[in-house]
Amino acid sequence: QKEVEQDPGPLSVPEGAIVSLNCTYSNSAFQYFMWYRQYSRKGPELLMYTYSSGNKEDGRFTAQVDKSSKYISLFIRDSQPSDSATYLCAMSAEIGIQGAQKLVFGQGTRLTINP
Amino acid sequence: ETGVTQSPTHLIKTRGQQVTLRCSSQSGHNTVSWYQQALGQGPQFIFQYYREEENGRGNFPPRFSGLQFPNYSSELNVNALELDDSALYLCASSPDPIYEQYFGPGTRLTVT
Repeated sequence: QKEVEQDPGPLSVPEGAIVSLNCTYSNSAFQYFMWYRQYSRKGPELLMYTYSSGNKEDGRFTAQVDKSSKYISLFIRDSQPSDSATYLCAMSAEIGIQGAQKLVFGQGTRLTINP
Repeated sequence: ETGVTQSPTHLIKTRGQQVTLRCSSQSGHNTVSWYQQALGQGPQFIFQYYREEENGRGNFPPRFSGLQFPNYSSELNVNALELDDSALYLCASSPDPIYEQYFGPGTRLTVT
């Protein structure tokens, strides 16, 4: 079983729809929770970064973390064609010394917003 | 402020050869992590460097090695290349080992 599970999709929705992306995880030691957006043949771009359970909002994006259920979500409101990309959830685990963190990623969900 | 840069963008190598990939961290960042991303998969952690020392390592064999220089730029070296090493190699920098990581555009390695 993978430490982080993410439905790879593909997910296709009409422009303006609310998009919900989700990940589950098994390691209760994960400390920080992130969402990255990756366009084709590009590096991942950090969208959201959260630590505690609850919601965090940034413009059209809302990240939700439920540590008791080991479940995180990303909501995109008023979706745009430019939001079409692969969305990766990531969680940090402590490595080495001084609290250093490595990222453990989900497989990524490919999202297409249709005009 | 300059972001994370990587070179080369793309390269093709033959099985058994050696390759060196380079990364320049974002200004003010002292920590560099390397990840391997196979097609259709999420990135996998290779190792992290902090102040020129390896600070942690993932499940990759010793033929994957690295360096970090005094200016915090970094290299990833892979010896005895195998076909399965074909992937996008991503470098990420952070202002400190415990903080969020920002990725470069990646180097796409093809091994034939």
